Parts: sequence; structure tokens; C-alpha cells
Amino acid sequence: AQSVTQPDIHITVSEGASLELRCNYSYGATPYLFWYVQSPGQGLQLLLKYFSGDTLVQGIKGFEAEFKRSQSSFNLRKPSVHWSDAAEYFCAVGAMNTGFQKLVFGTGTRLLVSP
Amino acid sequence: KAGVTQTPRYLIKTRGQQVTLSCSPISGHRSVSWYQQTPGQGLQFLFEYFSETQRNKGNFPGRFSGRQFSNSRSEMNVSTLELGDSALYLCASSLGGTGGDQPQHFGDGTRLSIL
Repeated sequence: AQSVTQPDIHITVSEGASLELRCNYSYGATPYLFWYVQSPGQGLQLLLKYFSGDTLVQGIKGFEAEFKRSQSSFNLRKPSVHWSDAAEYFCAVGAMNTGFQKLVFGTGTRLLVSP
Repeated sequence: KAGVTQTPRYLIKTRGQQVTLSCSPISGHRSVSWYQQTPGQGLQFLFEYFSETQRNKGNFPGRFSGRQFSNSRSEMNVSTLELGDSALYLCASSLGGTGGDQPQHFGDGTRLSIL
């Protein structure tokens, strides 16, 4: 069965500093990988996705993520964090044998942005 | 294009009651998935419907059920409510093809509180 690990529960970053959120997955085949962001009281917004091809994917709001098969990782990065990026971030994996509609999520990383 | 719409946004029920939540997907989307989000268990997949048929199911008791209508709108029902059912219930829609290259888009959720 697939699983996702986000080792950092909380991360605090200064505004303007760079950000990297870690995500490791467990899945027997090439996974479909996603990053979502959730602001308080809101649903999940898709930041970016990896299906195949170029292992560096660009998303919305200046985010990017890199798929590294050898490390089973899909880390999210942003070169310069803005105060509005404070939210909870979820990494998720979809599996081919369920038509990819059954997403398995990590436990999330809460990002705090200090002035 | 309107996003995924979930109604109601908030519900308060007492133990033993039943509840029905509604989800209207993005126009043209045929797959609707439901997730439960709690502080303790995180985001967990409940089930997925495609063309009025349940295509995937998570590991939840039979008290949790759903259905999908011909216009792709979906409802989720929880019977004999327990305190542990207090959660944010999220609905997500996608085009639903089995190719996997169609990410899920989430609504803002229904916050269910059980007294």
C-alpha cells in the first residue's frame, strides 16, 4: 500500500527566505504526486503535480517540486516566502490501481512565516 | 468556471442522529471523492463515485455511505452519528479518467460537529 511521510510538523521561515518542505512516499510503481495547500477554514488548493517526464515541476504561487526516484522524495520549494504563504501543506500520492482518485495524504506541514 | 461547492458549510448534530452532506462538482467533472479530515487521523479517503457508481472505497464503517446523481452531484450520508465523526468533510472532483492525469479539485468542506 502506498504511504506518504512529511517529517516536519511545523516549520518557521522568515519572510523573504527560501523554503523547502519534505515529502517521502512509498509506492511500488511510479507514483502520481501532488502538493496541496490549505488555509484555515478552507479546502485544499492544488499547488502542483507530477505525473511523468521532467522531474522538476513548476506550480502556482512560485512553488516548484522535484521528484527524486532514488530517494522516493518529492520536496516542495520556494525561493522567497511571502507572509501569505503561511498555511498547511500536504503532499499526496495517487495510485494507478485505483485510477488515481484515491489520494493518500501525508500528515501535513504547518508553515509559519515570521516578519 | 465555478469550483466545487459543498453544502452546508457547518452542521451541528447530536449522537445517534444522521446527516447528509452535499457536493456539486466542477462542471464537466464526473468523479467525486470524499475525504474526512480530523486532527488525529489527518486526511482519510472515504469513497469515490464515477458515473453514479462507487468506484473506490476507503476503510470506514458502513455508517458512511454515499451516492451520485446523473448530474454528477454527490451526497454523503452518515448514520448513527458518534462523537468521533466530528470532522471536516471534504469533497473533490475530477474529470475521472483512469489515465490519472486529472488532478482532484477540492471544495471548502463541511464542518460537522457532534454534541
